[in-house]
Amino acid sequence: GDSVTQMEGPVTLSEEAFLTINCTYTATGYPSLFWYVQYPGEGLQLLLKATKADDKGSNKGFEATYRKETTSFHLEKGSVQVSDSAVYFCALRPSGGGADGLTFGKGTHLIIQP
Amino acid sequence: GAVVSQHPSRVICKSGTSVKIECRSLDFQATTMFWYRQFPKQSLMLMATSNEGSKATYEQGVEKDKFLINHASLTLSTLTVTSAHPEDSSFYICSADTGPFSTDTQYFGPGTRLTVL
Repeated sequence: GDSVTQMEGPVTLSEEAFLTINCTYTATGYPSLFWYVQYPGEGLQLLLKATKADDKGSNKGFEATYRKETTSFHLEKGSVQVSDSAVYFCALRPSGGGADGLTFGKGTHLIIQP
Repeated sequence: GAVVSQHPSRVICKSGTSVKIECRSLDFQATTMFWYRQFPKQSLMLMATSNEGSKATYEQGVEKDKFLINHASLTLSTLTVTSAHPEDSSFYICSADTGPFSTDTQYFGPGTRLTVL
């Protein structure tokens, strides 16, 4: 079945550092790929998505590129802020249309220190 | 973006009782809603897919008689945990679909923390 693997944290960085959170997936066809963020005490929010190979999703300074050849969707940000501290989930949705639930990675807890 | 609400946010109940959790899409109609379960420090696991006006589709290993799902309208789905036991204690999260395609985005509710004593 489908699966998502992402680096587990916690990941601790200093403010203004460069961030990479790795995400790889296993799925047939061309799934859609998502990054969701969960701030403390809040629900999951969509951060960005990409729906086909070589697409780049971006939002709030975060970027991720859909790499079919490496089945990856790594999340990057050039300069993190304390407010970026949260849990980040990589997820996929199967291709083929219809309504399918998401398959999630285990989440990466990011801690940004001032 | 689209807003999904859940009620209640927290519930504590005695073993053997039933608990109902509501999931509403506030500013859009959702033909399909999903229910997930999240264990501490673990990922979200899909429990079931709920379609308006039809029976829910459950993932393998999820007891449909224990986790009753009703999708009465395009903006409301309910999850009832029947005869709850301590092992049912978890964080339950719903999401709502903005469209029928795999490229469409799901929006998530804030979750419901269930504690069974």
